[in-house]
Amino acid sequence: AQTVTQSQPEMSVQEAETVTLSCTYDTSENNYYLFWYKQPPSRQMILVIRQEAYKQQNATENRFSVNFQKAAKSFSLKISDSQLGDTAMYFCAFMNYGQNFVFGPGTRLSVLP
Amino acid sequence: DSGVTQTPKHLITATGQRVTLRCSPRSGDLSVYWYQQSLDQGLQFLIHYYNGEERAKGNILERFSAQQFPDLHSELNLSSLELGDSALYFCASSVFTTSGAPDTQYFGPGTRLTVL
Repeated sequence: AQTVTQSQPEMSVQEAETVTLSCTYDTSENNYYLFWYKQPPSRQMILVIRQEAYKQQNATENRFSVNFQKAAKSFSLKISDSQLGDTAMYFCAFMNYGQNFVFGPGTRLSVLP
Repeated sequence: DSGVTQTPKHLITATGQRVTLRCSPRSGDLSVYWYQQSLDQGLQFLIHYYNGEERAKGNILERFSAQQFPDLHSELNLSSLELGDSALYFCASSVFTTSGAPDTQYFGPGTRLTVL
């Protein structure tokens, strides 16, 4: 069974600085997708970024980028120029071709003014 | 706005009761997923429906059941409710590709269930 681990329960960063959230996963499959979702205090789940495992190029979405290391089964999220609105829980998630979606436990990020 | 709607937004009920949560997927999405998120917890996958048929089950209790109707909306039924069932229940929808490749899930705003 797949597992997703986020080793940082809480993190903080100063506004305008850069922060990296860690995620590792365990799977024996070769084809899968990885996602980062953001859950602000409103509790809405918002897609931040996704990465297809067959793509070597790291996904980017404005200030958000990932460092995908397939061999190491690592999928970290970098947030550049952090903004107060980035304060949220961040969940790393794995999805395989069987459509099973597994979430990590989350990292609570606080952006400080 | 993800395009996924859930009703009601809030639900307060008593132990032993039964409730029904409703979800309408994004236009064109055939897959619906249900998740439970207890306070300060991650998301637990409950069940997945595709075009009216159950595709996968996760950590869903026997007291819980779900279905997807011909118009693709889905309902999650929770019965014999216990205090521990208090949680945020999310519905998500996605396109189910014919190749079986996974696709992004888009989440509704959730239904907050409080069992007293």
